[in-house]
Amino acid sequence: DSGVTQTPKHLITATGQRVTLRCSPRSGDLSVYWYQQSLDQGLQFLIQYYNGEERAKGNILERFSAQQFPDLHSELNLSSLELGDSALYFCASSRDTNTGELFFGEGSRLTVL
Amino acid sequence: ILNVEQSPQSLHVQEGDSTNFTCSFPSSNFYALHWYRWETAKSPEALFVMTLNGDEKKKGRISATLNTKEGYSYLYIKGSQPEDSATYLCAPDTGRRALTFGSGTRLQVQP
Repeated sequence: DSGVTQTPKHLITATGQRVTLRCSPRSGDLSVYWYQQSLDQGLQFLIQYYNGEERAKGNILERFSAQQFPDLHSELNLSSLELGDSALYFCASSRDTNTGELFFGEGSRLTVL
Repeated sequence: ILNVEQSPQSLHVQEGDSTNFTCSFPSSNFYALHWYRWETAKSPEALFVMTLNGDEKKKGRISATLNTKEGYSYLYIKGSQPEDSATYLCAPDTGRRALTFGSGTRLQVQP
């Protein structure tokens, strides 16, 4: 158990809809990262938050947004969903902003029909 | 965008074989090199974080070496076991941005 909690574990929805994925980082970790793993793709970095502020942006679509709340949990919002958004979304946390070891949650599997 | 290459893409070995794979990364702006192990239906777990040129880390039958000047790291598994079957990911760390993972080496160990 990494100490990182993600909900929901599975989500099935339709095209055009909007979903929110939630992540609670490990106790004491200030940085939260979101990664996407699509079919036959590696882990693609989406976005990082550190202590409530956006720290780095990767290959995140404009239809996607995220935030980190004062209690350090984070949410990834995916809107106007398309079939290609079906993927496994991982949240990871680390102690500070300069990465160090990442601790991954179990992921949220999103299926868009 | 960091260019991270891992080879081979996949590997099938017999139980008891020793094996190794490579991670190549840009040697400039180097801060650390991470290795992660990702078993099917689980989440990636850190194996090693390496920072010094010439560093060697070991965890049981798994070890890794690092060459920061030429930009590569090797991961070795001695006497592979079926439970070593996983995808092994590397990620160079510049200390200034989130980790960029390579596409990984998928290892399958046949009993």
